[in-house]
Amino acid sequence: EDKVVQSPLSLVVHEGDTVTLNCSYEVTNFRSLLWYKQEKKAPTFLFMLTSSGIEKKSGRLSSILDKKELFSILNITATQTGDSAVYLCAVAIIQGAQKLVFGQGTRLTINP
Amino acid sequence: EPEVTQTPSHQVTQMGQEVILRCVPISNHLYFYWYRQILGQKVEFLVSFYNNEISEKSEIFDDQFSVERPDGSNFTLKIRSTKLEDSAMYFCASSEAGYHYGYTFGSGTRLTVV
Repeated sequence: EDKVVQSPLSLVVHEGDTVTLNCSYEVTNFRSLLWYKQEKKAPTFLFMLTSSGIEKKSGRLSSILDKKELFSILNITATQTGDSAVYLCAVAIIQGAQKLVFGQGTRLTINP
Repeated sequence: EPEVTQTPSHQVTQMGQEVILRCVPISNHLYFYWYRQILGQKVEFLVSFYNNEISEKSEIFDDQFSVERPDGSNFTLKIRSTKLEDSAMYFCASSEAGYHYGYTFGSGTRLTVV
């Protein structure tokens, strides 16, 4: 069974802290790993990673994939209260069509 | 920025009733999907749709579910006889082409079955 596990499930930090969110996976037919931010409703796309060791960066967010150890991390530096959200990791697998297998999410709370 | 639009945003229905959830994917996208998220649980894949047919479905997507692209712009999910456990947030998503692209998700329809 395809599985994506995120840790921690919940994290509370102070504004300005740096956080690291973890995602490990065991899937067949891996295609890519995606990170999403979910605030109220729709997950919004952050990163798609397909190659090991290549960091993707967008402002204060960055992410990297390790296909040998089957995990990814999402880093957020200098956190702000607007970063408070649930962060979802999903693995795209190909079985005919592409589908996403999601982790349970990490609820990040940034306190002022 | 192009969006995936879902209507209604919230629907309350009685158990046993049929519901249709509507989605308008991004216009040049070719692949369409439905996912659901029961409160407090993971987002789960339901079905993918390409070239006017289902390309894959999960075990959740049983005979009470169906999808349709009736007019070239809308993409609908029908639940024939709703059960209490169908209560969830239903997300539509679309992607431009296969696996090289991330999805764009709609803002979801919260379905409450009473």
